[in-house]
Amino acid sequence: AQSVSQHNHHVILSEAASLELGCNYSYGGTVNLFWYVQYPGQHLQLLLKYFSGDPLVKGIKGFEAEFIKSKFSFNLRKPSVQWSDTAEYFCAVFVWEGFQKLVFGTGTRLLVSP
Amino acid sequence: ETGVTQSPTHLIKTRGQQVTLRCSSQSGHNTVSWYQQALGQGPQFIFQYYREEENGRGNFPPRFSGLQFPNYSSELNVNALELDDSALYLCASSPQGGNTIYFGEGSWLTVV
Repeated sequence: AQSVSQHNHHVILSEAASLELGCNYSYGGTVNLFWYVQYPGQHLQLLLKYFSGDPLVKGIKGFEAEFIKSKFSFNLRKPSVQWSDTAEYFCAVFVWEGFQKLVFGTGTRLLVSP
Repeated sequence: ETGVTQSPTHLIKTRGQQVTLRCSSQSGHNTVSWYQQALGQGPQFIFQYYREEENGRGNFPPRFSGLQFPNYSSELNVNALELDDSALYLCASSPQGGNTIYFGEGSWLTVV
């Protein structure tokens, strides 16, 4: 069965610290991976996505993620976080079973202190 | 702004009641999905509609049902509400065969 694991449930950082959020997936088909962010009271926003090609993908707001097939991982990184990055981050894998759906991890709540 | 709009944004229902949530998909997107996001959890896939028919379903009981209309808008209906149905319900749209899914802001349902 498809699944996504996010091992960090809560992360607290100071501004300017570097960020890495872990994501591991389990899916036997063609892998399309996503990171979404949910700011307080707002909708899910797409940060970045990986379909194929360069395993290092760059997204909005300075985020990037690296797809490592051998480790079934798609970790999210940002060199220097800002207070405005406080949000919940979700990793997801796109699954095709004759219909399309996203399978999400449980999310990582990031708090950046000024 | 994703172009996916949902209503209502918040509502409170009593256990045993029924609720209808509405969604207008992004222009040109003929596939609509619904997800349930319980507190502290990631969104869980409920079902998907394409061409006015349900073509995929997650692990949710039959009291969760839906409709899609010719203009691709959609409804999620939940009968016999239970306390555990309290959650954020997200509508998502995508073009058929596309692999980028756009989410609305969600409808917060509280069951008391």
